[in-house]
Amino acid sequence: QLQLQESGSGLVKPSQTLSLTCAVSGGSISSGGYSWSWIRQTPGTGLEWIGYIFASGLTYYNPSLKSRLTISVDTSKNQVSLSLTSVTAADTAVYYCARTVPSVVGGSPDWFDPWGQGTLVTVSS
Amino acid sequence: DIQMTQSPSSLSASVGDRVTIICRASHKINNYLNWYQQKPGKAPKLLIYETSTLQSGVPSRFSGSGSGTVFTLTINPMQPEDFATYFCQQSYSTPPFTFGPGTKVDIK
Repeated sequence: QLQLQESGSGLVKPSQTLSLTCAVSGGSISSGGYSWSWIRQTPGTGLEWIGYIFASGLTYYNPSLKSRLTISVDTSKNQVSLSLTSVTAADTAVYYCARTVPSVVGGSPDWFDPWGQGTLVTVSS
Repeated sequence: DIQMTQSPSSLSASVGDRVTIICRASHKINNYLNWYQQKPGKAPKLLIYETSTLQSGVPSRFSGSGSGTVFTLTINPMQPEDFATYFCQQSYSTPPFTFGPGTKVDIK
């Protein structure tokens, strides 16, 4: 059974860089033509898709975060990483990674399944 | 970006009730609409994809319908484990994917 586990800095100071890793187990990150998304959730803004990456390294980012965002993949470690620079309190959220599934093989990503358990990141001095 | 809204934002129901949640998109999204269930402290879980297809393992009391800009999630009958928050998500015009604000279903 595919499992995703987020880890990383739980407390980040304003203006610094938020770094998270998503470790995938129970399956290869390179198989199946899936992409791997980061999604965040706050009580105020709800669920916000951050971006996704394919095992090839191809990425798509949310335009609202693109200037501060880097998503990378390490297929040898079967993991995906997120880096968000110049954080503010507005970046405080629970961050999830999720497999992004296309409706047809080779098609565009459509839905998210499964999700990791999520990790809380707080931006505060 | 396509904006998603949900109604109601919350509702109270009893075990055995029929519950319907509405999701509206700001533009037509064909059938590219997915539903998730989230319980407190847990990650969202995929229930239905492409408007009406149940994810494997999801009970048949969940159903989805709709087209264009208006979609519904129905739970019939409500079971104790179904009290949760439900989100819709569009995948028609991406990036970015966008989610509805959620509908919280609690016990009457």
